[in-house]
Amino acid sequence: AQKVTQTQTSISVMEKTTVTMDCVYETRDSSYFLFWYKQTASGEIVFLIRQDSYKKENATEGHYSLNFQKPKSSIGLIITATQIEDSAVYFCAMREDYAQGLTFGLGTRVSVFP
Amino acid sequence: EAAVTQSPRNKVTVTGGNVTLSCRQTNSHNYMYWYRQDTGHGLRLIHYSYGAGNLQIGDVPDGYKATRTTQEDFFLLLELASPSQTSLYFCASSDRGNTLYFGEGSRLIVV
Repeated sequence: AQKVTQTQTSISVMEKTTVTMDCVYETRDSSYFLFWYKQTASGEIVFLIRQDSYKKENATEGHYSLNFQKPKSSIGLIITATQIEDSAVYFCAMREDYAQGLTFGLGTRVSVFP
Repeated sequence: EAAVTQSPRNKVTVTGGNVTLSCRQTNSHNYMYWYRQDTGHGLRLIHYSYGAGNLQIGDVPDGYKATRTTQEDFFLLLELASPSQTSLYFCASSDRGNTLYFGEGSRLIVV
């Protein structure tokens, strides 16, 4: 069964700095897909970035990047040059190759201060 | 323009009441999903569908029915609502195996 764990419940950072948040997952599949989403204060859930397990290069998207460590079953999210608007709850999620829907972690709340 | 639209956005009902949550997507996606979000449990999959007339059971289906009438429309039905179904419900759509895109959420309170 799939399992996704985010151990950090909250992180506070100063604006314009870098924040890193952790996520570890469990799967028996050799092929799987990893996602990061952001939930804003209004409740909206927004897709940020994804990593396919067969890709060796870490995905990047704007000021989001991933630290994919497959042997450790770890997919960290890195946000550089943070802005106040990056304050949100960040969810890690996984889908195994033949499954549908995503399994989510419990989220990490990020607060960015000026 | 929102590609996944949910209604109602807020709903209060009584225990034993009948509730239908609606979702429409304009992404031309085959897959649609219903999730519930609760503190301490995160987002959990209730039901999903890969096309009109199809329904698949998710991880927490008890007490819920769903129906996919068209490629665009997916409904979640609570026929005998209970306080344990008080939650924030999200609909999402995707192409097979691809990224899910979420609606704005529907907050349901069962008193």
